[in-house]
Amino acid sequence: GQQVMQIPQYQHVQEGEDFTTYCNSSTTLSNIQWYKQRPGGHPVFLIQLVKSGEVKKQKRLTFQFGEAKKNSSLHITATQTTDVGTYFCAGPFWETSGSRLTFGEGTQLTVNP
Amino acid sequence: GAGVSQTPSNKVTEKGKYVELRCDPISGHTALYWYRQSLGQGPEFLIYFQGTGAADDSGLPNDRFFAVRPEGSVSTLKIQRTERGDSAVYLCASSIHSAYNEQFFGPGTRLTVL
Repeated sequence: GQQVMQIPQYQHVQEGEDFTTYCNSSTTLSNIQWYKQRPGGHPVFLIQLVKSGEVKKQKRLTFQFGEAKKNSSLHITATQTTDVGTYFCAGPFWETSGSRLTFGEGTQLTVNP
Repeated sequence: GAGVSQTPSNKVTEKGKYVELRCDPISGHTALYWYRQSLGQGPEFLIYFQGTGAADDSGLPNDRFFAVRPEGSVSTLKIQRTERGDSAVYLCASSIHSAYNEQFFGPGTRLTVL
């Protein structure tokens, strides 16, 4: 079936270190969306990438969408304690025509001060 | 403006009982989604409404689960004959048109089936 996979599942860093999470889809995505979920909270939209090879930045966060639109990454430079949470990638597959998002399992980030 | 709201925030029920979970989406959002999230997992798609109609209900696990959105705004997820395996956080999200757009999530309803 269609799946979205993320690695690593967990990442522990010292404050100031960089962090990267990778997202891979079993089939081509229409777009890729990234969400952040704080402990005890609900997913909050971060960004959407649509074009093949697209790169977007939000302050210390850099998002990439692969050329084949099957993989993506989120890189955080110089992590801060406010970055703690679980980061999910999600995308609508071409076949589902925008009817649903399939989420990855998420990468849980902890930051030691 | 107001975000997506869900009630109740917590629901504890006994195995075999019927429950209803409510979602009030952002005004003007035609697309509404229900997800289920278990601990340590990503949100799992259940059903998608476009307006009043269920455009995609392929994520509902079995016929004990049903959802409605009669007037194209508020939606209710209904679970019959609850089982312990139904325990999870049920998330509702809305977007302006479809899954191609940003989704706004509600705070969720934590369902516990004893």
